[in-house]
Amino acid sequence: EDQVTQSPEALRLQEGESSSLNCSYTVSGLRGLFWYRQDPGKGPEFLFTLYSAGEEKEKERLKATLTKKESFLHITAPKPEDSATYLCAVQFTGGGNKLTFGTGTQLKVEL
Amino acid sequence: NAGVTQTPKFQVLKTGQSMTLQCAQDMNHNSMYWYRQDPGMGLRLIYYSASEGTTDKGEVPNGYNVSRLNKREFSLRLESAAPSQTSVYFCASRDTTEDGYTFGSGTRLTVV
Repeated sequence: EDQVTQSPEALRLQEGESSSLNCSYTVSGLRGLFWYRQDPGKGPEFLFTLYSAGEEKEKERLKATLTKKESFLHITAPKPEDSATYLCAVQFTGGGNKLTFGTGTQLKVEL
Repeated sequence: NAGVTQTPKFQVLKTGQSMTLQCAQDMNHNSMYWYRQDPGMGLRLIYYSASEGTTDKGEVPNGYNVSRLNKREFSLRLESAAPSQTSVYFCASRDTTEDGYTFGSGTRLTVV
C-alpha cells in the first residue's frame, strides 16, 4: 500500500539551531514529492516539488532533497517565523491525479 | 489575484442538516480537490475533479457529494450531517499534475 510518513511529529528548535524533517514513502512509483508549509488557521502553502532521486531545491533557509525512499527538508539557522507545520505529499504512478499527504511535522522555533 | 476562495469560513450544523461548501478559483486551473483535515489524520481526499465535467472519489467520500459546476467552481455537499464530519475542509486547485496545489483558507465545520 502506498504510504507517506513524516517524522518527527513535533520539533522544538532554538533560533539558529539547524535541523532536518523527514518524509519517507512507500509507493509503487513516484511521480512527484511536494512540500507545503501550513500556519495555524490557514491553508497549506506550496514550497517545493521534487521529481527524481538526487534532486534538490532551495528557498531562503529551506532546502529539500530527495532519495529513492525519502525526502528531507533541511532548515538552516531557523528563525521564529519559520514556526509552522510542514507537510509532505506524494503523487504516485497509478494513483490518479491527486496527492497523498503525510500527517506533518509541527516545528516551533524559539528565541 | 484571489486564488482559491472558500465559503463559508465557519459553520455549525445540527445532526441531520444539510449544507453546501462552496469553492471557486480564478487561476483557470483544470483540476480541483476537496480535502478534510483532522488532528492526527492529516489531509484526506474526499473527492476531486481532474477536469471540467469529471469527478472521482477519494479516500473518504462517504456522506459527501460534489458538483463541478464549471471550470471555476467545485462544491461539496453534506446531505445529512453527522458529528463525524466535524472537521476543517480545504479546497485546492492546480493546472497540471506537475504543479503543486493552491489551497483555500478552509471551512471550519462543527456538527453537533
